[in-house]
Amino acid sequence: GQSLEQPSEVTAVEGAIVQINCTYQTSGFYGLSWYQQHDGGAPTFLSYNALDGLEETGRFSSFLSRSDSYGYLLLQELQMKDSASYFCAVLSGGYQKVTFGTGTKLQVIP
Amino acid sequence: NAGVTQTPKFQVLKTGQSMTLQCAQDMNHNSMYWYRQDPGMGLRLIYYSASEGTTDKGEVPNGYNVSRLNKREFSLRLESAAPSQTSVYFCASSEIGQGAKNIQYFGAGTRLSVL
Repeated sequence: GQSLEQPSEVTAVEGAIVQINCTYQTSGFYGLSWYQQHDGGAPTFLSYNALDGLEETGRFSSFLSRSDSYGYLLLQELQMKDSASYFCAVLSGGYQKVTFGTGTKLQVIP
Repeated sequence: NAGVTQTPKFQVLKTGQSMTLQCAQDMNHNSMYWYRQDPGMGLRLIYYSASEGTTDKGEVPNGYNVSRLNKREFSLRLESAAPSQTSVYFCASSEIGQGAKNIQYFGAGTRLSVL
């Protein structure tokens, strides 16, 4: 089966940089995704890595190391609106199955 | 272009009652999914449909049934609701296949309480 581990909570200061780590165990790995979810809302897609390295999308970057079964989401120039839960998710099973981690609740403080 | 639409948004049931959660997408996606989200548990896959006419069990299928009515619609049925099924239910759709990333587009969710 699949399992993912990520910290349950992270606190960071507005304007700073924060890194949210994700380690995974899975068979038939295709890629690692990141989703953002504000309280009471639905998850929304942020980023996807299929190959090793860094993917940058504006203030957000995501990194993957397939050999270490590890990835992270990097948020720069933190804003109060970035306070949300962030989920890593692995794609496996012939591209069909997406398994989500338990999420990291990020609190941005002034 | 509404994306993924779920109904109802809220529902309260008594133990033993049945209900169907509806989901429709207008993005012409082949794949559709039902998840439940409980505090501290992340999103857990209940059932998915990789394409019209097919359905498969996910991580927590017990107590649920699904129907892929057509390419647009994927419903989730609780035949005899139990308090353990109190949760937030999300429907999602995506395109799958090499290079497609399987980006999940989620509906707004159904908040279900079973008393």
